[in-house]
Amino acid sequence: NAGVMQNPRHLVRRRGQEARLRCSPMKGHSHVYWYRQLPEEGLKFMVYLQKENIIDESGMPKERFSAEFPKEGPSILRIQQVVRGDSAAYFCASSPIASNTGELFFGEGSRLTVL
Amino acid sequence: DAKTTQPNSMESNEEEPVHLPCNHSTISGTDYIHWYRQLPSQGPEYVIHGLTSNVNNRMASLAIAEDRKSSTLILHRATLRDAAVYYCILKAGNTPLVFGKGTRLSVIA
Repeated sequence: NAGVMQNPRHLVRRRGQEARLRCSPMKGHSHVYWYRQLPEEGLKFMVYLQKENIIDESGMPKERFSAEFPKEGPSILRIQQVVRGDSAAYFCASSPIASNTGELFFGEGSRLTVL
Repeated sequence: DAKTTQPNSMESNEEEPVHLPCNHSTISGTDYIHWYRQLPSQGPEYVIHGLTSNVNNRMASLAIAEDRKSSTLILHRATLRDAAVYYCILKAGNTPLVFGKGTRLSVIA
């Protein structure tokens, strides 16, 4: 059973371009979480999705950021018109259920560098 | 979310036990105590979780105070591969995990 797969692992964009980060959860997992980690800082929750639904987007910036988890295919975190402050590691996690006992399985992250 | 307090950093000698403390004085009755760790340049990794009773698994042990206001993650024999940031997190219901600053553990050979 493959783990959580994120791609690309590294992405370089110029200011104003778009960044698309993909996350394939573990097989059988229908809950996906995105986190952002700025250099030398902790992980900040961004958004929690279940198939085709956004459950909690309280950590998402109001502009330029969007996320989806379609019925088929990976979850996508999209950042439009990137700025230098978007440079960070973006981690995706998945779980089979949502509960207070559930373990989250994290991917290895996508590292975005904005020039 | 209830808050946790951890030391910023700790140091251990290789092959010695490590006790990583966590205070959570405002924990509620339904909060589970979760521990994750993040090795350099990797995503976080689940370590252990518990509610009231002490827990053991292949990675570590979790000792929970009787009043649940504190807990301790125990690594029985630290190795160089255990050098990481360790996060103590309270989780209520199906709310997302909220990571604090954690404890950076250094292991000395």
